[in-house]
Amino acid sequence: QKEVEQNSGPLSVPEGAIASLNCTYSDRGSQSFFWYRQYSGKSPELIMFIYSNGDKEDGRFTAQLNKASQYVSLLIRDSQPSDSATYLCAVNPELTGGGNKLTFGTGTQLKVEL
Amino acid sequence: DAEITQSPRHKITETGRQVTLACHQTWNHNNMFWYRQDLGHGLRLIHYSYGVHDTNKGEVSDGYSVSRSNTEDLPLTLESAASSQTSVYFCASSEYPSGENEQFFGPGTRLTVL
Repeated sequence: QKEVEQNSGPLSVPEGAIASLNCTYSDRGSQSFFWYRQYSGKSPELIMFIYSNGDKEDGRFTAQLNKASQYVSLLIRDSQPSDSATYLCAVNPELTGGGNKLTFGTGTQLKVEL
Repeated sequence: DAEITQSPRHKITETGRQVTLACHQTWNHNNMFWYRQDLGHGLRLIHYSYGVHDTNKGEVSDGYSVSRSNTEDLPLTLESAASSQTSVYFCASSEYPSGENEQFFGPGTRLTVL
C-alpha cells in the first residue's frame, strides 16, 4: 500500500510568520509531488508541483523535496489569514504524462491568526 | 472558459437506490478521475479513465462503476447505494501526454445515503 503521510494539525501560525507543512511518502519510486490547497467546502486547487531534489519557489510559496529521505515540504512565507485552509500533499509515481494516479495525504489544516 | 462541472451539487437518496453523478469537462482532457473525500481518509481514488472506452478501478471501487463514451463526460454510478457511500465526491481531469501533471477538480457533489 503506497502511503502519503501528513500531520492533520491544526497548525497555527501568526500572521506574517512562515508556515511549514510536511509530507512523507512510502513509495521510493515516486517521481513527482504536488501541493494542493483546499478551502472548507471547496475543491482542491494546485499550488505547486516539484520533481527535482531541492527547492522550488513561486511567490510566497517554496516546495522542498528530498527523495533520499522521502520527504516533501511546503513553506509559506508572510502567512496571511487567506492562507488558512487544508493543504494536501499528493504523489505521482510517473515523472511525465499527467495521466497517472495521484495518492493524496489526508491534509494538514493551517490556521493563520491575526 | 474551459471548466469542469459536476451535477447535482447535493443529493439525498435512500439505501438500495441507483444513483448517477455527472462530471463534464470542456478542456478536452483525456484523463478523468473520480475521488471520494471523507474525514480522516483524505481523497481516495474510485475510478479513472485515460480515454474514450477506457476505465480502470481505483483504491475504493467496490459498489461504483463508470463508463466513458466521449472525451467530455465520466459519469459515476452507485449501483445500490449504501450508507457507507455517504461522502463528498470530486471529479478531476488532466491533460496527457503534455501538461504539468496537474489535475483540475470539479466543485464536488455531496451525497447523503439514508
